[in-house]
Amino acid sequence: AQRVTQPEKLLSVFKGAPVELKCNYSYSGSPELFWYVQYSRQRLQLLLRHISRESIKGFTADLNKGETSFHLKKPFAQEEDSAMYYCALTPTSGSRLTFGEGTQLTVNP
Amino acid sequence: DAGVIQSPRHEVTEMGQEVTLRCKPISGHNSLFWYRQTMMRGLELLIYFNNNVPIDDSGMPEDRFSAKMPNASFSTLKIQPSEPRDSAVYFCASSPTSYTGELFFGEGSRLTVL
Repeated sequence: AQRVTQPEKLLSVFKGAPVELKCNYSYSGSPELFWYVQYSRQRLQLLLRHISRESIKGFTADLNKGETSFHLKKPFAQEEDSAMYYCALTPTSGSRLTFGEGTQLTVNP
Repeated sequence: DAGVIQSPRHEVTEMGQEVTLRCKPISGHNSLFWYRQTMMRGLELLIYFNNNVPIDDSGMPEDRFSAKMPNASFSTLKIQPSEPRDSAVYFCASSPTSYTGELFFGEGSRLTVL
């Protein structure tokens, strides 16, 4: 069975501070990992995926297979980063996308 | 394209009543997903369809929940009878293929069962 765990429901940082949203997963195969974001009053949308190895809005995430983690990082948080962030996993052989419980990030001025 | 369209956006009903939530996926997408969002459990997959066929309904809580996709442009999620613990935001999402992790979400239907 696949499982995604986000240990922090709430995370609060100050503007300009580094931020790390934690994500751990359990899956026996080689999954694909994603981060989705939901800004206030907007739709849930894809932020980034591990296979792209890209930086979106200053965020990066590295897949660590040894630690089964996919933490989301940004060196300098901005107020507009305040949102709900979901880590998600899908098996490479199927389409079922499993989400974690979500982390509400608040960036204070 | 207007994206995934869900209705109603808000629904308040009394326990025991039937609730029907509707979804129109993005044209051309062949996979459709229903998720439930709660504070305690986050986003839970209820069921998903591929080419209008239900593929995995293991997340459907119980027999009170049912979902249909009669054609490529319409799906419903029905709860009968509804209970207060069903109160949540229900999201519909669609995807252009079966094997990507990029889902396109609707704005959600917020259900309150009194």
